[in-house]
This record gives sequence, structure tokens and C-alpha cells, in this order.
Amino acid sequence: NAGVTQTPKFRILKIGQSMTLQCAQDMNHNYMYWYRQDPGMGLKLIYYSVGAGITDKGEVPNGYNVSRSTTEDFPLRLELAAPSQTSVYFCASSYSRGSNYGYTFGSGTRLTVV
Amino acid sequence: AQSVTQLDSQVPVFEEAPVELRCNYSSSVSVYLFWYVQYPNQGLQLLLKYLSGSTLVKGINGFEAEFNKSQTSFHLRKPSVHISDTAEYFCAVSGATNKLIFGTGTLLAVQP
Repeated sequence: NAGVTQTPKFRILKIGQSMTLQCAQDMNHNYMYWYRQDPGMGLKLIYYSVGAGITDKGEVPNGYNVSRSTTEDFPLRLELAAPSQTSVYFCASSYSRGSNYGYTFGSGTRLTVV
Repeated sequence: AQSVTQLDSQVPVFEEAPVELRCNYSSSVSVYLFWYVQYPNQGLQLLLKYLSGSTLVKGINGFEAEFNKSQTSFHLRKPSVHISDTAEYFCAVSGATNKLIFGTGTLLAVQP
């Protein structure tokens, strides 16, 4: 089925470890986003991309990095994991500039840093 | 800058009763408004959206929302809820920045 695929679904990291959260979409969407969701806080935008080779910071970018070498993939990198990065991470994509078509979300990655 | 306020963190309701989930927004420019639903351990799914035109918007699963520009509100309603509607509901706004800004969410807890 077409959509946004995130891997892994769950991960436990030790403090200081690094990892990459994968995100892929097969809808030929130009725009892709990474959000984190914390209880009672809603979703906060980490990074976004408006096309291959173009990325920009969102509200909470510290401790994360992204790249966008293809239209389909938008990985999120954690270099030195900290307990504050324990969260559920969602990747999303949209068709056009602006979100008037709505975003398509992946099913999320639940990350615990211990 | 845009912002969204969902004052109710949790709304308990009995099955077959009506429900209203409140959403207020702040923006200095024209906005698009959205409601998303998140079922347990799943991603977010679009319920409905307001872009322009009629202020009453109908979405999936019998939900509807009304855009009220003077009150800067976009409340979500359903005349009769089911157990299966138990989920977290997020209001979101986008405008000049072209990025979605989410509220903190409202947990709809439907009881038998």
C-alpha cells in the first residue's frame, strides 16, 4: 500500500549511542517532515524538507540531523542519544507547498534512551 | 506566528452521546485548519480539513467541524459517538509558514 514507512518501530538506546530513524514514502511527495510526540505536548516539528537536497530546521532541531538525497527517503539521525530524546517520532509527507492537501503520517518509531 | 489551543486534555463521554472537542487558533494571516485522529499505537490520520468556502466541514466517521473566524475556533463534533471513536484528537493549523502546527491533543474516552 502507498504511504509513509518508518523503521524501526521500537528501539532502546543507551546514552551516547547513535542511530538513524528511517523514513520512506512512495507517493512522490516533495515535502517531508519529522515530528516528535511527547505526552501532553502534542507534536513538535524537528526538521523538514521541501525537496531532495533541501532541508531546514523546525521548532526542536537540537540533537538531530537530517539529509534528503532522494525524493523518497528522509532519514533522521541522532548522534549522541540523551534521555530527553525518549519520545515517539513520526515522519510525514505532503504533496505540495503548504499543507492544504493534508499530511500523510507514518506509524511512528518509539525510542527509549536509557 | 500561528498557534493552536486545545483546552480539554481529556473528554469522557458515554456511548451514543454527542461530543464536542474544542479548538481555538491564533494567526495573523489566513489559515488552513485540520483535525487528525490517532488511535492507540498508530500514526495520525486526517479526519477533516477547512481550506476555504463553506464553514461547516464534514469528515470521515461521521465527524464534522465548524470554522468560526470571529471566534477563531474550529470545534469538532459528532452527534453520537461509538466505543471505536476512543482515540486522541489533534487540531492543527497552517498558514504563511506552510507548516502544520499542532495542538496538545484531546483524548476522547468513550464509555459503554
